[in-house]
Amino acid sequence: EAQVTQNPRYLITVTGKKLTVTCSQNMNHEYMSWYRQDPGLGLRQIYYSMNVEVTDKGDVPEGYKVSRKEKRNFPLILESPSPNQTSLYFCASSPDGRANYGYTFGSGTRLTVV
Amino acid sequence: QQQVKQSPQSLIVQKGGISIINCAYENTAFDYFPWYQQFPGKGPALLIAIRPDVSEKKEGRFTISFNKSAKQFSLHIMDSQPGDSATYFCAARGRGSTLGRLYFGRGTQLTVWP
Repeated sequence: EAQVTQNPRYLITVTGKKLTVTCSQNMNHEYMSWYRQDPGLGLRQIYYSMNVEVTDKGDVPEGYKVSRKEKRNFPLILESPSPNQTSLYFCASSPDGRANYGYTFGSGTRLTVV
Repeated sequence: QQQVKQSPQSLIVQKGGISIINCAYENTAFDYFPWYQQFPGKGPALLIAIRPDVSEKKEGRFTISFNKSAKQFSLHIMDSQPGDSATYFCAARGRGSTLGRLYFGRGTQLTVWP
């Protein structure tokens, strides 16, 4: 089944403890992206990647890192999480930046930082 | 700065009625306008999309109307059903320096009551 897989689905952590949220897609998509979803703010882009080894900042990149060493994987790294990063995170992928197929989203990771 | 403005924030419609959600944008460097549907606990899923050279697209009970000169587009759900109750997001995809980036509206929570 074609899908975007995120892990974990739920995570509670403490301020300052480094964490990684994994994202993997099995559709050979070139384009991958991370979004956070907060009530009343919609989906805001954190980082995106046009292809392997190519990443760029979205609208809210502060406090996050990403890497794209393989085409299928696009992990999101929080080096020193803070409570304002408590949010629902989504990874998404698309065949490429021009494809009219839209993004395929993962099921989300709900992160709580205490 | 919100690239795509969406209204209303919430919408309650009786079964069989028409649901209408509106979006507006300022940036002309958008080339693709998708709508996403999100159920609780799930990631957003592509519902329907339109290119700016088309004024209307219909898929079943869902229709996008696009007004390029006014920089507005809307989603119409005909014969709304309780199963349509979800959060709907409009989006616009960038081109050029923002190639492939999706900018989302803040979402509309639709409730269809029997």
